[in-house]
Amino acid sequence: AQKITQTQPGMFVQEKEAVTLDCTYDTSDPSYGLFWYKQPSSGEMIFLIYQGSYDQQNATEGRYSLNFQKARKSANLVISASQLGDSAMYFCAMREEYNFNKFYFGSGTKLNVKP
Amino acid sequence: DSGVTQTPKHLITATGQRVTLRCSPRSGDLSVYWYQQSLDQGLQFLIQYYNGEERAKGNILERFSAQQFPDLHSELNLSSLELGDSALYFCASSVAGAPSNTEAFFGQGTRLTVV
Repeated sequence: AQKITQTQPGMFVQEKEAVTLDCTYDTSDPSYGLFWYKQPSSGEMIFLIYQGSYDQQNATEGRYSLNFQKARKSANLVISASQLGDSAMYFCAMREEYNFNKFYFGSGTKLNVKP
Repeated sequence: DSGVTQTPKHLITATGQRVTLRCSPRSGDLSVYWYQQSLDQGLQFLIQYYNGEERAKGNILERFSAQQFPDLHSELNLSSLELGDSALYFCASSVAGAPSNTEAFFGQGTRLTVV
């Protein structure tokens, strides 16, 4: 079974609007972390935001927030007030504490921000 | 700058050849991960090392091998190269033994082209 599933291969959003990128995960480990990374066309992987499995509040980092629904095993990334520079691939990832801290990545969502 | 250094940045080689990709993790990070990203694909986990020992193995071909040296740098060896091995190879490092809330820091990647 896939550990991380991103069902949106590509998405478009108008500049200044908000967009939600979906991510669901599968784990039986009680302690895990969820991460989002951004990969611009230049190729580097940029860490955006983290959510812990025991965190009660949704994580926020500037214009990024993580909509964490533990019972549904979803960790959607919300980008508010989209900017042209947000156009990139976005990867959801999970780290299981007791599984040697392996990082699992989803297949990614390509976001295009339209002016 | 993530603090993770990968060399070379670009590599072009012929089928059947062997190459070595090098990674220097962030100072103090004991865990090193290797990922393969084929064109417009997600990240495939290859292998993880912790303080010189292999910790976890993913979808790594038998033609590929890796090691982590006492100074913690790691090398990924790819042999009998095929056209399908052309990809972006990432190295990432993280604090070992940390709880799952620690992100992985990625190098810039090595772009391998097999012709």
